[in-house]
Amino acid sequence: DIQLTQSPSTLSASVGDRVTITCRASQSITSRLAWYQQKPGKAPKLLIYKASTLQSGVPSRFSGSGSGTEFTLTISSLQPDDFATYFCQQYDVDWAFGQGTKVEIK
Amino acid sequence: EVQLVESGGDLVQPGGSLRLSCAASGFTFSSYWMHWVRQAPGKGLLWVSRIQSDGSSTIYADSLKGRFTASRDNTKNTLFLQMKSLRAEDTAVYYCARMNGYGYFDYWGHGSLVTVSS
Repeated sequence: DIQLTQSPSTLSASVGDRVTITCRASQSITSRLAWYQQKPGKAPKLLIYKASTLQSGVPSRFSGSGSGTEFTLTISSLQPDDFATYFCQQYDVDWAFGQGTKVEIK
Repeated sequence: EVQLVESGGDLVQPGGSLRLSCAASGFTFSSYWMHWVRQAPGKGLLWVSRIQSDGSSTIYADSLKGRFTASRDNTKNTLFLQMKSLRAEDTAVYYCARMNGYGYFDYWGHGSLVTVSS
């Protein structure tokens, strides 16, 4: 099974900060990685797929990069609506999620 | 508008069974592979199951094999998850999700809470 490890688990940041979350895969998944945002009590929302392609309607302050085993999600200027938990997901061999990164207010 | 609406979540005793439903609308349900994902309270997302568009093939997370069965009725645009021999650790919100042709999940339901407790 492919394991995904996100870091950090929790991130404290302020509005306007640049934020980066890392997702590492236990083996190469090429670019078959997605990022989701989840707010409390809500379903996950697709942000990015194919490692770096922004889903329609997602603000351009979100970006993704990487391939193989190391990936990043960057929020260029954190907004109040962005405080949430973020999950990466691989869809190269079956499906699996990272453990999540909670972005909280500093 | 794509909509996925889960139902059937309930309080069930350990060892019991439960069937969840996911009603789909706003897209051609029979053309899409569908998934179940669960989330225990305060925890991360766990992929549960995938079912192909015609229902002919299903796969499951190793830890759940033999107890969970996914199925679908394309005439009623509905996805199902039959769960048996439920354990306390199966307590979670269960989401259905539509899989884009490339493999990621582009739409999710709001979730249905299953609580396993005596």
